[in-house]
Amino acid sequence: DAGITQSPRHKVTETGTPVTLRCHQTENHRYMYWYRQDPGHGLRLIHYSYGVKDTDKGEVSDGYSVSRSKTEDFLLTLESATSSQTSVYFCAISGARVEQFFGPGTRLTVL
Amino acid sequence: GQQLNQSPQSMFIQEGEDVSMNCTSSSIFNTWLWYKQEPGEGPVLLIALYKAGELTSNGRLTAQFGITRKDSFLNISASIPSDVGIYFCAGQLLRDSNYQLIWGAGTKLIIKP
Repeated sequence: DAGITQSPRHKVTETGTPVTLRCHQTENHRYMYWYRQDPGHGLRLIHYSYGVKDTDKGEVSDGYSVSRSKTEDFLLTLESATSSQTSVYFCAISGARVEQFFGPGTRLTVL
Repeated sequence: GQQLNQSPQSMFIQEGEDVSMNCTSSSIFNTWLWYKQEPGEGPVLLIALYKAGELTSNGRLTAQFGITRKDSFLNISASIPSDVGIYFCAGQLLRDSNYQLIWGAGTKLIIKP
């Protein structure tokens, strides 16, 4: 299995508070991705990174920002969480821009 | 945006039955990937397909890259209880010099008791 961890695994927070989710990899893969998964929508790409300090938006990037200061870490920040951001968040990594390997997910609840 | 139509949305099957699911699109893809997700976990890659017409097996699972490059199929033979989960297809295409991975909405496999 690809070495990917996500933290925290579960989080409950209140509307308006900032939240940061962390993805850590030990595979030295170049590409990292953040997805959210909601019933009826499958996996939707939020942001991705193609190298240290190189990031780009996905299809549902509004309300989210990312940072990648080291190869192994990719952070997803919700500057001011809203109830519509309640979801399960998955990080994925890829070394060849084809197969992506997923972390275990973070379940976020915004009250 | 690009879309993948994955069907069926869900399936109730008896243990021992064969299962078929597919993904179709109006776009042409370079690569097809099939994943399985179990409750509380991230998707796990099952099979990757790289060229039109390719047929690849992984145990009881067989997937095919459609000859038109617009579709892919996954078959599971002689289903067992541990096959329960959600199966996702994903197709990769090159658009504006960037590779994009487009995801299907998933097929939920449920074993009848």
